[in-house]
Amino acid sequence: DQQVKQNSPSLSVQEGRISILNCDYTNSMFDYFLWYKKYPAEGPTFLISISSIKDKNEDGRFTVFLNKSAKHLSLHIVPSQPGDSAVYFCAASANSGGSNYKLTFGKGTLLTVNP
Amino acid sequence: NAGVTQTPKFRILKIGQSMTLQCTQDMNHNYMYWYRQDPGMGLKLIYYSVGAGITDKGEVPNGYNVSRSTTEDFPLRLELAAPSQTSVYFCATKGRPDRPTYSMNTEAFFGQGTRLTVV
Repeated sequence: DQQVKQNSPSLSVQEGRISILNCDYTNSMFDYFLWYKKYPAEGPTFLISISSIKDKNEDGRFTVFLNKSAKHLSLHIVPSQPGDSAVYFCAASANSGGSNYKLTFGKGTLLTVNP
Repeated sequence: NAGVTQTPKFRILKIGQSMTLQCTQDMNHNYMYWYRQDPGMGLKLIYYSVGAGITDKGEVPNGYNVSRSTTEDFPLRLELAAPSQTSVYFCATKGRPDRPTYSMNTEAFFGQGTRLTVV
């Protein structure tokens, strides 16, 4: 049973436009959410995170939105750049109840930004 | 400051062979994790450790063993390699911030990965 779902395996956008990557979760105990970016042959690198007490977090071109009632989060990249082309993973953790802060990952979305 | 270092980067094993994937961190992080990533899939947790001397199973522990004798090292052992263990393996660490009211709402740092093929 997949607790973190990224239903779009791929997304293609034009340079300069907005990229919106979506993520849904089922475990209501999750209270911390992260986005990771992964280039081929490299490890995932942290991009941005959000705590469940917030509904928005912004860092430069990257904004993460959290809708707790819908159990949905999204990553907005504006403007998109060719260097943003990578696989993006959504991850979640439950920092209570003996979960030991394990990260649960979605399957990833391959973003391609076309020049 | 190297961060999280994994060795080797690539390895080909024959069925039934054994090997150890090494992971070393210099960030003094308490938490360490081993994940595997199969094509088209997310990262699945194999084993994790909350500190030296403490380890526990993740989602997919079968066929693997770990140990955590020091804060820095968290090796992953494959005893009898099988084709189903062909994957990319990532080690990750997570810290405990040094502040009065600590929170583990921090990111995990990943190594570069070990690509393992079992033939």
